[in-house]
Amino acid sequence: ETGVTQSPTHLIKTRGQQVTLRCSSQSGHNTVSWYQQALGQGPQFIFQYYREEENGRGNFPPRFSGLQFPNYSSELNVNALELDDSALYLCASSPLAGAPGETQYFGPGTRLLVL
Amino acid sequence: DAKTTQPNSMESNEEEPVHLPCNHSTISGTDYIHWYRQLPSQGPEYVIHGLTSNVNNRMASLAIAEDRKSSTLILHRATLRDAAVYYCILSHWDMRFGAGTRLTVKP
Repeated sequence: ETGVTQSPTHLIKTRGQQVTLRCSSQSGHNTVSWYQQALGQGPQFIFQYYREEENGRGNFPPRFSGLQFPNYSSELNVNALELDDSALYLCASSPLAGAPGETQYFGPGTRLLVL
Repeated sequence: DAKTTQPNSMESNEEEPVHLPCNHSTISGTDYIHWYRQLPSQGPEYVIHGLTSNVNNRMASLAIAEDRKSSTLILHRATLRDAAVYYCILSHWDMRFGAGTRLTVKP
């Protein structure tokens, strides 16, 4: 069974650029959630995708957007990058969206540095 | 949003039990209590979760207060590999992480 994978592992961008991060969910999982983790803080929920539709969103501006594909893999897109977007971006998959008590399985993350 | 309160840091000696507390006084009846841990340079890893009853698995035990306003993660014999940040999370469908407890394990 393959776990959650993310690419790239590291990325450097400059302010104002756009970035796309990718996530492959664990086999059999149809739900993907994205988190932003700033240095020294806990992960903050960005949004969740279930069967190619956004299923919920945290307190992030519209320049953070996402996609989920028929194979349940997902992308996180961030436009107009700001210095504060520098963080570890985590993807997590789960087998069934919205099920109470459902466990999420996290990937290793993509570390983004915005200069 | 229901929130959790955890100590910023704790220390333990290797091979001794560790009790990591979490307060969640505003928990709702449908919130599950999840514990995850994050080792350095890795994504969070599931440890255990429960709703009302105490839970045990191969990694840890979860003790939930009768009023559900607090819980304790118990590592029965800490090892150096258990050094991590431990997060207590109340979840309905999305995970709202706090700052967690940084556990240091001394040899």
